Amino acid sequence: NAGVTQTPKFRVLKTGQSMTLLCAQDMNHEYMYWYRQDPGMGLRLIHYSVGEGTTAKGEVPDGYNVSRLKKQNFLLGLESAAPSQTSVYFCASRVLAGHTGELFFGEGSRLTVL
Amino acid sequence: AQRVTQPEKLLSVFKGAPVELKCNYSYSGSPELFWYVQYSRQRLQLLLRHISRESIKGFTADLNKGETSFHLKKPFAQEEDSAMYYCALSGHGNKLVFGAGTILRVKS
Repeated sequence: NAGVTQTPKFRVLKTGQSMTLLCAQDMNHEYMYWYRQDPGMGLRLIHYSVGEGTTAKGEVPDGYNVSRLKKQNFLLGLESAAPSQTSVYFCASRVLAGHTGELFFGEGSRLTVL
Repeated sequence: AQRVTQPEKLLSVFKGAPVELKCNYSYSGSPELFWYVQYSRQRLQLLLRHISRESIKGFTADLNKGETSFHLKKPFAQEEDSAMYYCALSGHGNKLVFGAGTILRVKS
């Protein structure tokens, strides 16, 4: 039972390069989220999706784009990476159950931008 | 706007001592509040949610709407409680935001 899977787990980029993080969930969850985790800042919401084909901005969306073409996948893109985007990225999903659905997290993807 | 504040970055206690991790929130509607925990080398996972009014691993949390708080408490800390704890709020449009987190260190 895979749950939420993130790829890649580690990546080093040079400033200006682009990349895509993939999040896949096999629980048929409606909602998916992308967070970044930084020391002293906690988890900050980048973008989220309440269903296939929909996305919405979170707290820190600048410099990122997302797509949810299939229900099970939520992609996070960096078009032109900056050192400020060095972070650990977490994907999470939850079932459509009002506000009370539990979030299930991936293992995280550590991104370093040089 | 939704906001969660955890004022302590680090809380260090001795084994057997009481623990209280503070969480305050700002939200105009009726909030749904959660505590999540991240143990070393493990995934973030749900610890408890206010709507369930449950006790998990000896931890409890009560929603105080007057003080806009959802503090996490445990009467007797154990070494295995050492972890990062996040308070989270679910509000408009199922947007779920987290606080900055508190590292709990339980010393023997």
